[in-house]
Amino acid sequence: LAKTTQPISMDSYEGQEVNITCSHNNIATNDYITWYQQFPSQGPRFIIQGYKTKVTNEVASLFIPADRKSSTLSLPRVSLSDTAVYYCLVGDLGSSNTGKLIFGQGTTLQVKP
Amino acid sequence: GAGVSQSPSNKVTEKGKDVELRCDPISGHTALYWYRQSLGQGLEFLIYFQGNSAPDKSGLPSDRFSAERTGGSVSTLTIQRTQQEDSAVYLCASSSLPAGQGEQYFGPGTRLTVT
Repeated sequence: LAKTTQPISMDSYEGQEVNITCSHNNIATNDYITWYQQFPSQGPRFIIQGYKTKVTNEVASLFIPADRKSSTLSLPRVSLSDTAVYYCLVGDLGSSNTGKLIFGQGTTLQVKP
Repeated sequence: GAGVSQSPSNKVTEKGKDVELRCDPISGHTALYWYRQSLGQGLEFLIYFQGNSAPDKSGLPSDRFSAERTGGSVSTLTIQRTQQEDSAVYLCASSSLPAGQGEQYFGPGTRLTVT
């Protein structure tokens, strides 16, 4: 099973770009990499998902190197409202619908004015 | 549109009692997931349903935990003989894509406290 490791916390200032890296050395061939954002007392909210190379959407980019043993979530120009916990999720339940999805322990991002 | 709903939002129970947690996924979503988040801890995957089927129950913490899904919609997570270590927020998510692919839409969770 892929074990995921993230930094426990990060600080940033408004307007800066923030990069959060997740390590998943034992990632399996079919595993997807997904990032979620969670505010206190709420369920996680999807940010972005990728399999390899780079993926970009309206809120973030996800960089995945060729060996896929890590991934980096990039948040451009953060604001105070981006203060939250960010989780990477690695896994694939496959055509047999078995297996597990492994969350990292979460990175608490604190954005300062 | 309506998102994922869970009930109850809070549940306080005495040690040894059974509890049932309910999840109403987004209409049409065939994939349904249960997770547990203990105080100050990360998210722990419990079980996945594709339709009504959950072939892999190995993520459930013990044999006191069971889950079912009927009609490809509502799911219930049952914990028998609750223990204090079962105290956590139980989250449900649903998706239109199977097997961990795509976006999972999470409900607000059920906060379970075992006294």
